[in-house]
Amino acid sequence: DAGVIQSPRHEVTEMGQEVTLRCKPISGHNSLFWYRQTMMRGLELLIYFNNNVPIDDSGMPEDRFSAKMPNASFSTLKIQPSEPRDSAVYFCASSPGANEQFFGPGTRLTVL
Amino acid sequence: GESVGLHLPTLSVQEGDNSIINCAYSNSASDYFIWYKQESGKGPQFIIDIRSNMDKRQGQRVTVLLNKTVKHLSLQIAATQPGDSAVYFCAENTAPSGNTGKLIFGQGTTLQVKP
Repeated sequence: DAGVIQSPRHEVTEMGQEVTLRCKPISGHNSLFWYRQTMMRGLELLIYFNNNVPIDDSGMPEDRFSAKMPNASFSTLKIQPSEPRDSAVYFCASSPGANEQFFGPGTRLTVL
Repeated sequence: GESVGLHLPTLSVQEGDNSIINCAYSNSASDYFIWYKQESGKGPQFIIDIRSNMDKRQGQRVTVLLNKTVKHLSLQIAATQPGDSAVYFCAENTAPSGNTGKLIFGQGTTLQVKP
């Protein structure tokens, strides 16, 4: 099993540009989570899906952030427009329905 | 509100010694707890978990202790090795057992192993 796959691994963009982060969960897992990690705030849950349906998006910081899960094997997190304070490492995790979550390698986003 | 916090931001130990990393949680309704290890440049990796109906669980070189009375969680690593150097996070899940819910993470403790 390849584990959770995220792309790109690194993204550098300019303020105001649209950023799209992608995630492929582990096959058979029915829950998917998007996290953001910074030195100041640690690991924060942004949103999670069960069976492709968003369950809790209370962690999404602003309307500039949106997430979709069109099918069981793909999810996107979009930031439009991006700002320097969005710079962070964004993790995707999936879960088979038990409590354990399996994390991807993360996408390091830098907004200039 | 809900919060998970760590007592020590950095722990430095000698190779071969035992390590103890502590975590406090505030939600008495939490029924599931996990320890994750995060190495530089990687995502968090599952180490061990424990449910609230237990007070101790052992894995390979690791033991998790849960004290529900004082809402305290600890991770013990036996015979610490250089490869154990990482940031360790505790996390709690307040969802009913068997249901996937939100994991609330602590701020993390950096473990440094001196050769």
